[in-house]
Amino acid sequence: NAGVTQTPKFQVLKTGQSMTLQCAQDMNHEYMSWYRQDPGMGLRLIHYSVGAGITDQGEVPNGYNVSRSTTEDFPLRLLSAAPSQTSVYFCASSYSDREFFGPGTRLTVT
Amino acid sequence: ILNVEQSPQSLHVQEGDSTNFTCSFPSSNFYALHWYRWETAKSPEALFVMTLNGDEKKKGRISATLNTKEGYSYLYIKGSQPEDSATYLCAFRGNLIFGKGTKLSVKP
Repeated sequence: NAGVTQTPKFQVLKTGQSMTLQCAQDMNHEYMSWYRQDPGMGLRLIHYSVGAGITDQGEVPNGYNVSRSTTEDFPLRLLSAAPSQTSVYFCASSYSDREFFGPGTRLTVT
Repeated sequence: ILNVEQSPQSLHVQEGDSTNFTCSFPSSNFYALHWYRWETAKSPEALFVMTLNGDEKKKGRISATLNTKEGYSYLYIKGSQPEDSATYLCAFRGNLIFGKGTKLSVKP
């Protein structure tokens, strides 16, 4: 099993550009989520999904869209990147109350 | 908005010292409390999932206790080693609400 994979590892965007952060898991977990990690802020939930076709907002959803067309994939879209979205993004999948985190994507918006 | 507080924010100990830190969370609507260990440049690694009041879990030199009635959990590290240096996060389950973490540095 590859576990939870994220691509890319690093990305630099200009303000206003769009991009999609990819997340995939091969453990057949229903629950997947996206977090952002900022200095002094811990991990904050952006969006989550309890299964294919079902998504909901977390604590800090503004500026991000998600979709869940398959159990395996949960991409996070930034439609118009802003410097405030400079962060490290972690995708996670969950089973039986145990969270499995991906390696993270470090995003810089200039 | 649920608040999950961790203290202290950071801790510097000598190798061999035992240490503990605290996670405070809302005592109502408790479902589960998670502890994670997060090394720099890696992803968080699950340590414990605690669900019952009075729960005590142990993994090697690391243990944790849970008091759901008063809304706190303690994480203990016995005989700290340099490889224990990491940020220790707790998270309150519904959707996971994370504390800001306690950054532990162990000097050899």
